Amino acid sequence: SQQGEEDPQALSIQEGENATMNCSYKTSINNLQWYRQNSGRGLVHLILIRSNEREKHSGRLRVTLDTSKKSSSLLITASRAADTASYFCATDTNDYKLSFGAGTTVTVRA
Amino acid sequence: DARVTQTPRHKVTEMGQEVTMRCQPILGHNTVFWYRQTMMQGLELLAYFRNRAPLDDSGMPKDRFSAEMPDATLATLKIQPSEPRDSAVYFCASGVMDRGNEQFFGPGTRLTVL
Repeated sequence: SQQGEEDPQALSIQEGENATMNCSYKTSINNLQWYRQNSGRGLVHLILIRSNEREKHSGRLRVTLDTSKKSSSLLITASRAADTASYFCATDTNDYKLSFGAGTTVTVRA
Repeated sequence: DARVTQTPRHKVTEMGQEVTMRCQPILGHNTVFWYRQTMMQGLELLAYFRNRAPLDDSGMPKDRFSAEMPDATLATLKIQPSEPRDSAVYFCASGVMDRGNEQFFGPGTRLTVL
């Protein structure tokens, strides 16, 4: 079953703009991860944020986590055409499994 | 450049035939996961192994699916007999449980059952 739900389902932006997507989940977590999937490829791990962290950066990525609201956001700054992909949040509870959301499809227009 | 490999990359078969998908996890990873991805259901966890022992296969239709790890370098997912509703992309992923559970995904096997 999917615990994480991403919002929006799809996002279209101009190159250079920022892209923000959100993830909500239902139960307590150990950590939350974001993955990217390019068309026809496997998922690629982007960033992991632990339950005791509130914000994390990696290059042009910024992730926030609000455990009181059970939500996370992923911000991609200064988007590029190569950022066109689907983005998934995944929650890690106590049983080592990851529960993936349905994903946000991001299209960056040149 | 360590990566998860999967074979075959594409498979077209007829209903009722046996399908075997193979995965080579990254050397040193002790956890292997099998996922299925479809447009309708998204990414579903089918089964996973830790140190080659099956931990959970509750996501798998038991009557036709089976997953094994004959050794640390090979994981297999078998469907027998296959049905059209099994058409999907099957991903294998591996990781090390005590490092935050980041998973490394293979390129997937695209299965079409006619």
